[in-house]
Amino acid sequence: GAVVSQHPSWVICKSGTSVKIECRSLDFQATTMFWYRQFPKQSLMLMATSNEGSKATYEQGVEKDKFLINHASLTLSTLTVTSAHPEDSSFYICSAAGQGSTGELFFGEGSRLTVL
Amino acid sequence: AQKVTQAQTEISVVEKEDVTLDCVYETRDTTYYLFWYKQPPSGELVFLIRRNSFDEQNEISGRYSWNFQKSTSSFNFTITASQVVDSAVYFCALSENYNTDKLIFGTGTRLQVFP
Repeated sequence: GAVVSQHPSWVICKSGTSVKIECRSLDFQATTMFWYRQFPKQSLMLMATSNEGSKATYEQGVEKDKFLINHASLTLSTLTVTSAHPEDSSFYICSAAGQGSTGELFFGEGSRLTVL
Repeated sequence: AQKVTQAQTEISVVEKEDVTLDCVYETRDTTYYLFWYKQPPSGELVFLIRRNSFDEQNEISGRYSWNFQKSTSSFNFTITASQVVDSAVYFCALSENYNTDKLIFGTGTRLQVFP
């Protein structure tokens, strides 16, 4: 079946540094990918929609300059948390929709970010 | 606006008991999808079911069953003869509209099954 992979699965960084998280579709082309954030014991909140070859669309309240999204190919989207702070510590999950998708979504394993 | 409500934050049962997780949704769209996902402690989301708004038939898959009632905007999930491995957080989700894959998640229900 289709697989979406995220890397790294967990990362610890110092405050002020930038962290990049990758989301790859392994056996299908993903024209659209979605980035979610999940704080401990809370639900998943959509951060942004990543479209291959164009700018990402951010949800209200999400800082686009802080959470940089790049979707340069049909199999890879990256989320870069710039100048990370402890409040950015969270579980980040991506999902990918294949071409012609009508609701089939595949989620990555998630990336747990801890900012010290 | 779209919204998904999972009123039960935590449920504890003993193995072999049946348990129903409630999900109520709000949407102005006439066509949409509803989903259930399981999130075990490891964190990954495990897809359980997708249901489109035109299909109100109940579905059974092994010990899992789903009851979709458009009249009450509910999409409840029942696990029969629960097992310890069913312990996880379960999320109900709604697609924003028929043609996109953006999901709006409920707050989740944490299910603990004790031996």
